Amino acid sequence: GPKVLQIPSHQIIDMGQMVTLNCDPVSNHLYFYWYKQILGQQMEFLVNFYNGKVMEKSKLFKDQFSVERPDGSYFTLKIQPTALEDSAVYFCASSLDQGTETLYFGSGTRLTVL
Amino acid sequence: GEKVEQHQSTLSVREGDSAVINCTYTDTASSYFPWYKQEAGKSLHFVIDIRSNVDRKQSQRLTVLLDKKAKRFSLHITATQPEDSAIYFCAASRAQQGTGSKLSFGKGAKLTVSP
Repeated sequence: GPKVLQIPSHQIIDMGQMVTLNCDPVSNHLYFYWYKQILGQQMEFLVNFYNGKVMEKSKLFKDQFSVERPDGSYFTLKIQPTALEDSAVYFCASSLDQGTETLYFGSGTRLTVL
Repeated sequence: GEKVEQHQSTLSVREGDSAVINCTYTDTASSYFPWYKQEAGKSLHFVIDIRSNVDRKQSQRLTVLLDKKAKRFSLHITATQPEDSAIYFCAASRAQQGTGSKLSFGKGAKLTVSP
């Protein structure tokens, strides 16, 4: 079936540095999402993105976070600067349409901030 | 905002038995309830969903029940097989046009099916 790829699967960085998480969504999908899962907790919505714009974001989507998808390439989540509490697994997802369309998830990037 | 709870964190059954995973939600405006499955080392994979205009949906060995009054929904798996072993996540969202999907997830329930 359709696959969402996330690169890298693990990333370790020092607090205060910048990190970019990359997502290669399903090729004909139009809506893109990031979710965050802290170990042992629920996966939580961060942001959704359509037509080059953030449509909706949660309170977890801090000012240090940004998303973009330049020229239809990777959908990225950038954190600058990182903080210790940003350590989590970040899941990317995409969907063809909005509302109740099925989301296709990547396998996640585990980010460790030291 | 919406809060989805899965009260069982683990569930073990014998192959061939049935398994039931329960979830509750808080937002009365939620109208879309998907289930996802995550096998070890893999990504979340869509399993089945139900919308609030029905109270039951079946797909082969899977049935989802929705009780809107109790704000509860459940996934029933019959004739379980070892390959059903995975973590099952329930989720809920409002079906809003114009903003994309914003799913609220439960913590997941790990189902183990032993031969």
